[in-house]
Amino acid sequence: EPEVTQTPSHQVTQMGQEVILRCVPISNHLYFYWYRQILGQKVEFLVSFYNNEISEKSEIFDDQFSVERPDGSNFTLKIRSTKLEDSAMYFCASSLTSGSTGELFFGEGSRLTVL
Amino acid sequence: GESVGLHLPTLSVQEGDNSIINCAYSNSASDYFIWYKQESGKGPQFIIDIRSNMDKRQGQRVTVLLNKTVKHLSLQIAATQPGDSAVYFCADQGMDTGRRALTFGSGTRLQVQP
Repeated sequence: EPEVTQTPSHQVTQMGQEVILRCVPISNHLYFYWYRQILGQKVEFLVSFYNNEISEKSEIFDDQFSVERPDGSNFTLKIRSTKLEDSAMYFCASSLTSGSTGELFFGEGSRLTVL
Repeated sequence: GESVGLHLPTLSVQEGDNSIINCAYSNSASDYFIWYKQESGKGPQFIIDIRSNMDKRQGQRVTVLLNKTVKHLSLQIAATQPGDSAVYFCADQGMDTGRRALTFGSGTRLQVQP
């Protein structure tokens, strides 16, 4: 069964450092997403990406965040200068379509710990 | 403001019993609802969805009920099994507003007692 894969599974970084989280969405999917989940809290939307541009973003996704699809397979989330409050599990997701027919498939997440 | 929330943080049931997990939403423009299951250390996994033009949808051992009048969504799991133990999230999407991103509720932990 096709799946979304994420690397690394866990990253520990110092405050102020740049972090790149990587995702390989399901190959024929067209819509890509990043969500995050602070420990014990709900899953929060960060950004959606379609046709090589951001289609929607939340208030969490400020200037410190960026996304990129550098080639035909990877989808990355970059945090330029990490803060303690960026510590969370970051989930990548992809879907074939958007809207109510677009089931999101989530990866297993990348845990980011900022010290 | 817009929110999707859950009534109970933890639900404990006996194996074989039916489980009902509830969710309230506040955005009347929401027209698509999904239930996700999240096992420990894993990403959310799609269970079942329902559009606002329906009030009930059934899957394998799961049923989702939607009451738009009171903005309430429920997930029913029949003959609950130990493998059903997880956190369950409801999520909504407001197509009419152009908001395609899913908004997740805060989750209910389902504990299945053997």
